[in-house]
Amino acid sequence: NAGVTQTPKFQVLKTGQSMTLQCAQDMNHNSMYWYRQDPGMGLRLIYYSASEGTTDKGEVPNGYNVSRLNKREFSLRLESAAPSQTSVYFCASRPRRVGVGTDTQYFGPGTRLTVL
Amino acid sequence: SQQGEEDPQALSIQEGENATMNCSYKTSINNLQWYRQNSGRGLVHLILIRSNEREKHSGRLRVTLDTSKKSSSLLITASRAADTASYFCATNTGNQFYFGTGTSLTVIP
Repeated sequence: NAGVTQTPKFQVLKTGQSMTLQCAQDMNHNSMYWYRQDPGMGLRLIYYSASEGTTDKGEVPNGYNVSRLNKREFSLRLESAAPSQTSVYFCASRPRRVGVGTDTQYFGPGTRLTVL
Repeated sequence: SQQGEEDPQALSIQEGENATMNCSYKTSINNLQWYRQNSGRGLVHLILIRSNEREKHSGRLRVTLDTSKKSSSLLITASRAADTASYFCATNTGNQFYFGTGTSLTVIP
């Protein structure tokens, strides 16, 4: 199993450009998440999808959109990138909540995005 | 925000010593998790402690939880150079997870 995969690993954009970050998991997990990580800020939740067909805003959703394409894939789109969106983006997944341990998240390797 | 704070922000110790890092959070929880992040990598789950537990062990890891003080600590015993990483605590309310700001641990060989 590959676990959680993210593409691309690195990306440089100019202000105003758009792009989509891809995330896929092969663990048959129900929930998927997008976070951004900035120095000294820890991880902040952008959007999450509790199950296929649903998406909800997290702590910092402005400037982003998401699509839960199917159970495996959850993409994050920046429609008009801004320098403030320079960050490392992590995708994570979590099994269906049926008991102890299902609050564990499994993370991808991250996408390092620079917006000039 | 429920975001927690880790303390200290950075910690440097010699190999073989114990490392202790602390986490404080703001609201009531069902459980608290600790994650490790190696440089340039994603987070990896280490251990989960439930709100009705006070202490939990896993290998060289010992986690304590004090819900009255809204705080947790992670102890790594007999540290190794491979333990060099950032450590984060996390809590969740339903599907929303909140991570602390992290402790950067350096273990000097």
